[in-house]
Amino acid sequence: EADIYQTPRYLVIGTGKKITLECSQTMGHDKMYWYQQDPGMELHLIHYSYGVNSTEKGDLSSESTVSRIRTEHFPLTLESARPSHTSQYLCASSDGTSQIYEQYFGPGTRLTVT
Amino acid sequence: AQSVAQPEDQVNVAEGNPLTVKCTYSVSGNPYLFWYVQYPNRGLQFLLKYITGDNLVKGSYGFEAEFNKSQTSFHLKKPSALVSDSALYFCAVRAYTGGFKTIFGAGTRLFVKA
Repeated sequence: EADIYQTPRYLVIGTGKKITLECSQTMGHDKMYWYQQDPGMELHLIHYSYGVNSTEKGDLSSESTVSRIRTEHFPLTLESARPSHTSQYLCASSDGTSQIYEQYFGPGTRLTVT
Repeated sequence: AQSVAQPEDQVNVAEGNPLTVKCTYSVSGNPYLFWYVQYPNRGLQFLLKYITGDNLVKGSYGFEAEFNKSQTSFHLKKPSALVSDSALYFCAVRAYTGGFKTIFGAGTRLFVKA
């Protein structure tokens, strides 16, 4: 198992609430990613970061925001949760400096907005 | 356009039989190719990759994949399937799309029957 952690693993929350999904990695990787995945379906990249103070939007438009103040930490925030945000959110990291390229994934956060 | 395709939504195989999960790609330049596996309620796990060199790549859990440049394919194989191999498998390619990104296929669900 890779050293990348996500909390919480499961979250059920009401509409309109602000939520933050946590992601941390202890591998010193400079690149980090957030994917959205409906259960058993394809992955959609929603945010990525190539280093501290670097964040970019991914291929799928998302109302969420991210920050990268520390190398090891890449939280995702939803200011006002809606039922359409119900999904699984996967965080990943990779080492861009070593040219290894493969991504290491956390266990995911399954979000349900009621 | 840079893309990766997994033509089968689902593959069924009996335990002990060989399995193949198909992947084809379309990228400019030399492809960097990956296979990941996702077990229920988990993140993706890296299985194997092709960067350069021998066309037959060996990875975790007895899996291997064959890079075929002329057919632009990178099929995942295992000589003898186990029930525990049942999972969702993703093929991915690292491609340049205004910056290097990893593009994931839609996934193929593998069912291995006892």
